[in-house]
Amino acid sequence: DAGVIQSPRHEVTEMGQEVTLRCKPISGHNSLFWYRQTMMRGLELLIYFNNNVPIDDSGMPEDRFSAKMPNASFSTLKIQPSEPRDSAVYFCATGRREGQFPLNEQFFGPGTRLTVL
Amino acid sequence: AQSVTQLDSQVPVFEEAPVELRCNYSSSVSVYLFWYVQYPNQGLQLLLKYLSGSTLVKGINGFEAEFNKSQTSFHLRKPSVHISDTAEYFCAVIRMDSSYKLIFGSGTRLLVRP
Repeated sequence: DAGVIQSPRHEVTEMGQEVTLRCKPISGHNSLFWYRQTMMRGLELLIYFNNNVPIDDSGMPEDRFSAKMPNASFSTLKIQPSEPRDSAVYFCATGRREGQFPLNEQFFGPGTRLTVL
Repeated sequence: AQSVTQLDSQVPVFEEAPVELRCNYSSSVSVYLFWYVQYPNQGLQLLLKYLSGSTLVKGINGFEAEFNKSQTSFHLRKPSVHISDTAEYFCAVIRMDSSYKLIFGSGTRLLVRP
């Protein structure tokens, strides 16, 4: 398996522009997470999908951020308009949750390094 | 509220020396425990996890960790480190009543010197 695939790996954009980050989960995984990593705040959970449905978006910073999962093999995280404080590494992680048991492993993608000038 | 504390932000150690990275957690319910490693410019990779059973857990790359319920700790150890172990290490927990939310510590940077 190719693992979790994220694109692009690096993105440099100017303030005010729209940014779209993409994630392809591992086949068969039904849980998908978007995280943001910064030096100041560490790893933050932005949103969690289960079976393509957003379950917890309490970590999404503000309305400029939106995430979708139109099918089991694709998710996007969009920032519109982008701001310099959005500069961070964004990770997608996926896992397989069975029934009501807690998810016992998350597999992380390589991340997208976003720089907003 | 639950939290994960990694007391050391950076641990320098010489090659072939033993190392222990400390992790303590607080939770009012049972938890699953994890250690992840992040190499430069890469995503996080699972080193090991404790779900239940034996409190001594062995992981990849020669790492092991011991769950101590009374001390609410899950320290990571390796008897002899290599230069290639230089990375950031994250301890994390999932509460049994949460089902999915990984709570991460702030990370410990392991710096292995020749």
